Amino acid sequence: DAGITQSPRHKVTETGTPVTLRCHQTENHRYMYWYRQDPGHGLRLIHYSYGVKDTDKGEVSDGYSVSRSKTEDFLLTLESATSSQTSVYFCAISDRGETQYFGPGTRLLVL
Amino acid sequence: AQSVSQHNHHVILSEAASLELGCNYSYGGTVNLFWYVQYPGQHLQLLLKYFSGDPLVKGIKGFEAEFIKSKFSFNLRKPSVQWSDTAEYFCAVNGLNAGKSTFGDGTTLTVKP
Repeated sequence: DAGITQSPRHKVTETGTPVTLRCHQTENHRYMYWYRQDPGHGLRLIHYSYGVKDTDKGEVSDGYSVSRSKTEDFLLTLESATSSQTSVYFCAISDRGETQYFGPGTRLLVL
Repeated sequence: AQSVSQHNHHVILSEAASLELGCNYSYGGTVNLFWYVQYPGQHLQLLLKYFSGDPLVKGIKGFEAEFIKSKFSFNLRKPSVQWSDTAEYFCAVNGLNAGKSTFGDGTTLTVKP
């Protein structure tokens, strides 16, 4: 398995609070991605990064922001969590933007 | 914009039955195609991929997929499924040099022992 970790693995928070999820890789891959997985919706891309400080929006980016200050870390922030953001969040990495390798996921519950 | 359609949302088979999961994509250019698998409680992992060359590609655990360009399809097959193949299967498409993939909604496969 590729060297990808996500933290925290589980989180319960309240509506309106900020939440930051971290993805860390040891593979030195250029691309990093944040997805959310919900029943009936498959995987939906939130944001992705194609290099340090280079990020772009995915199809469900509203309410989320990201930062990548170094190659190995990609942070996803929910500025003000809502119940609709309850989901499983997966980070993925890719060397050339093709095959992706996924992290273990973070289960987020927003009450 | 690229899109991926997986026709079967839930498939139930008995062990030793043959499997075919449909995947069609929409994209106006050269594509890379993937099938990923997610076993219960785990993360997605690559099953197989097609970039170019022989349109029949073989992956892990006896799975194969055929790229039919004229039909914009990349169906996944396995001649004889096992209980351990119970999982969710995702088809994905990636435009050449796009840097990101679009995933289908997934097909849940349940194999009865």
